[in-house]
Amino acid sequence: DTAVSQTPKYLVTQMGNDKSIKCEQNLGHDTMYWYKQDSKKFLKIMFSYNNKELIINETVPNRFSPKSPDKAHLNLHINSLELGDSAVYFCASSRRKRGLSGEDTQYFGPGTRLTVL
Amino acid sequence: EDKVVQSPLSLVVHEGDTVTLNCSYEVTNFRSLLWYKQEKKAPTFLFMLTSSGIEKKSGRLSSILDKKELSSILNITATQTGDSAIYLCAVGMYSGGGADGLTFGKGTHLIIQP
Repeated sequence: DTAVSQTPKYLVTQMGNDKSIKCEQNLGHDTMYWYKQDSKKFLKIMFSYNNKELIINETVPNRFSPKSPDKAHLNLHINSLELGDSAVYFCASSRRKRGLSGEDTQYFGPGTRLTVL
Repeated sequence: EDKVVQSPLSLVVHEGDTVTLNCSYEVTNFRSLLWYKQEKKAPTFLFMLTSSGIEKKSGRLSSILDKKELSSILNITATQTGDSAIYLCAVGMYSGGGADGLTFGKGTHLIIQP
């Protein structure tokens, strides 16, 4: 059974387009995240969502907007794509609860390789 | 600024060798340190170390957290070609909001030659 799934796995698009990446977790976790991994394999947090509330936005351009219809889903929408957005985007989830101690262990999805031409 | 530094950045050894990977951190409100292994796809979880669990072992892999030195090591004994991967160190922190992403190091690219 897939714990954290993402679609699509590959996304090739032109500059200026708008695209979305979907993420779902079936682990019953409270918090979901989006990370960006650049060409040098450096993994950096973009957003985290806890109970439908955005907790972190790490200086990410406002062209990126996470949308969470429910606790099990966190989608990433990107407007006006730029060349520098090309990267692998990973979704993750954890049991971490807002204001309480909870496990930090995060489980990652398979990644979406975005290529902007 | 919170910082996680891994060394070496790359390492090539022969099958059967023992390797030690290093991770040091400078962060506010340290909570946990995690090790992940990344092959072609998603990072997969190896260990989590906290103040109440500073040493973990699983098979040929083991890890120790040194809170005094603000560092951790990941040991792999009797390496196999399947151990070839990027090993990522990440730190979790307390925050007022309660839910944080992990701060990752740049990884150690380990290559095991037959």
